[in-house]
Amino acid sequence: GAVVSQHPSWVICKSGTSVKIECRSLDFQATTMFWYRQFPKQSLMLMATSNEGSKATYEQGVEKDKFLINHASLTLSTLTVTSAHPEDSSFYICSALLDKGEAFFGQGTRLTVV
Amino acid sequence: GDSVTQMEGPVTLSEEAFLTINCTYTATGYPSLFWYVQYPGEGLQLLLKATKADDKGSNKGFEATYRKETTSFHLEKGSVQVSDSAVYFCALSDHQGAQKLVFGQGTRLTINP
Repeated sequence: GAVVSQHPSWVICKSGTSVKIECRSLDFQATTMFWYRQFPKQSLMLMATSNEGSKATYEQGVEKDKFLINHASLTLSTLTVTSAHPEDSSFYICSALLDKGEAFFGQGTRLTVV
Repeated sequence: GDSVTQMEGPVTLSEEAFLTINCTYTATGYPSLFWYVQYPGEGLQLLLKATKADDKGSNKGFEATYRKETTSFHLEKGSVQVSDSAVYFCALSDHQGAQKLVFGQGTRLTINP
């Protein structure tokens, strides 16, 4: 099947700094990628839909200035958590949409803000 | 809005036991339904799906039937193996295919030898 790679798998950063997470579709082109956030023992919550060459569409309650999404190519979307604080600590997961409609997921990135 | 409710875990079974993980949904339209599995250290993988009422999705011995009358999509397997230990997510999409997905909270399954 298609492969989606996220990097890094885990990251620890200091409060107030910014962190960038990459999501790459390795063997297919994806015009649409999604970013999710998962709290412990809870479901995946969709944060935003990332479309190549255009602005991301954010879900209600997600701060677009806090979570910057860039989808500059058909194989790469990035999520930047700006001025991170401990409450941003979470598991972030991306998925990329294959043309026939199936979504493939990255392995996730665990962010810890100290 | 649309929502998915899964049975709470964790679920622990012995090898060769019968598995059921319940999933019910609320949706305004006619969603597609999915089961995803997440093995330790890996991303979510599509396990099976059903796109219309009475469809049965199946894969790797797992089955789930889209029941519109009960708004359910329960996951079943007749004889589980240790390698089935993972977290299972039920999800729906209100579009054809897997576009914007709404997930249940996940059920952690552990199979003991």
